[in-house]
Amino acid sequence: DSGVTQTPKHLITATGQRVTLRCSPRSGDLSVYWYQQSLDQGLQFLIQYYNGEERAKGNILERFSAQQFPDLHSELNLSSLELGDSALYFCASSVGLAGAREQFFGPGTRLTVL
Amino acid sequence: DAKTTQPTSMDCAEGRAANLPCNHSTISGNEYVYWYRQIHSQGPQYIIHGLKNNETNEMASLIITEDRKSSTLILPHATLRDTAVYYCIVKGGNTPLVFGKGTRLSVIA
Repeated sequence: DSGVTQTPKHLITATGQRVTLRCSPRSGDLSVYWYQQSLDQGLQFLIQYYNGEERAKGNILERFSAQQFPDLHSELNLSSLELGDSALYFCASSVGLAGAREQFFGPGTRLTVL
Repeated sequence: DAKTTQPTSMDCAEGRAANLPCNHSTISGNEYVYWYRQIHSQGPQYIIHGLKNNETNEMASLIITEDRKSSTLILPHATLRDTAVYYCIVKGGNTPLVFGKGTRLSVIA
């Protein structure tokens, strides 16, 4: 158990819909990262937040957005969903920003878009 | 693009040491070598990281060559539960983790 929690575990929805994925980082961790893992793209970094502020952006679509709240939990919002958005979405957390810090990953949310 | 090159797959007999190689010939002086693994569809799990010295923890050992252009992750006594995809990642500063395709390790009874 990494200490990072994600809800829901599974999500099935239809194209065009909007969903929200939630992540609670490990106690004391200020950084939250979101990753997408699809069969054809592998594990891809989406976005990072540190203490409520966006710090780095990866291959995140404009239809996707995220935020980190004062209690440090984070939400990833996916809108106008397409079939290709079906994937595993992982959240990770780390103590801070600096380089030599490991990230701890949650169990993921499996999103299926029908 | 990932800055590392790893074999696509490897097999290892249960109880033997698993040695997973990684080439990172373009590594910069301030970049660390990280190893993560992913068991089936679970969240990736941190294993170990190092800068230039060899490192050991309860899970594995990391051997980095003197020129830092390659490294080897060693699982000293592989078990069936070590079957996973192993990712070697080079990362510096505040940059995010960039996962490549990794090495699929199969531990065989």
